[in-house]
Amino acid sequence: QVQLQESGPGLVKPSGTLSLTCAVSGGSISSSNWWSWVRQPPGKGLEWIGEIYHSGSTNYNPSLKSRVTISVDKSKNQFSLKLSSVTAADTAVYYCARLYSMILGFAFDIWGQGTMVTVSS
Amino acid sequence: EIVLTQSPATLSLSPGERATLSCRASQSVSSYLAWYQQKPGQAPRLLIYDASNRATGIPARFSGSGSGTDFTLTISSLEPEDFAVYYCQQRGTFGQGTKVEIK
Repeated sequence: QVQLQESGPGLVKPSGTLSLTCAVSGGSISSSNWWSWVRQPPGKGLEWIGEIYHSGSTNYNPSLKSRVTISVDKSKNQFSLKLSSVTAADTAVYYCARLYSMILGFAFDIWGQGTMVTVSS
Repeated sequence: EIVLTQSPATLSLSPGERATLSCRASQSVSSYLAWYQQKPGQAPRLLIYDASNRATGIPARFSGSGSGTDFTLTISSLEPEDFAVYYCQQRGTFGQGTKVEIK
């Protein structure tokens, strides 16, 4: 079965760039799914960051669009997130997830375990 | 941009009781709505997709209904492991969550 695993630095300095990678195992990233990033600040709700298709097509949360880049590396079966100009407000658990096309709509059916990223000097 | 509003924010119930959670969309989303359960320290888990279809392995006590702008997640009889936070979602939008806590 498909599994997702996030990796990357747990601490990022203010004004720096947050970089995370999500490794896809047990399946191909070139399957007909969107691959997404979702974050959750401590004690708060879920916030969608953006998504990418294996073709390279992307969609981003308008509130983060100016700072976000999501890319895919099919040769490594992984996708990545870069978030620039980070502040303390970007401190959160970051999840990667598969957005699966159901009968009618889409749902996040597989999630990584999440990785905590703290923005601090 | 679609906004999803969940109510109540917190639901205090006892094991064995029925839980009814609401999710209202700011505009029609047809049946394109999913529900998730999240426990502390864990990733969310998909419960319901397309408003009323249970995901693989989800117990029958969980059910979803609704279409258009008004949706409901019902847990028919709460088990101890059901006390958690529940989110609704439509594509790139999540509701703010409903916490189901032990009374």
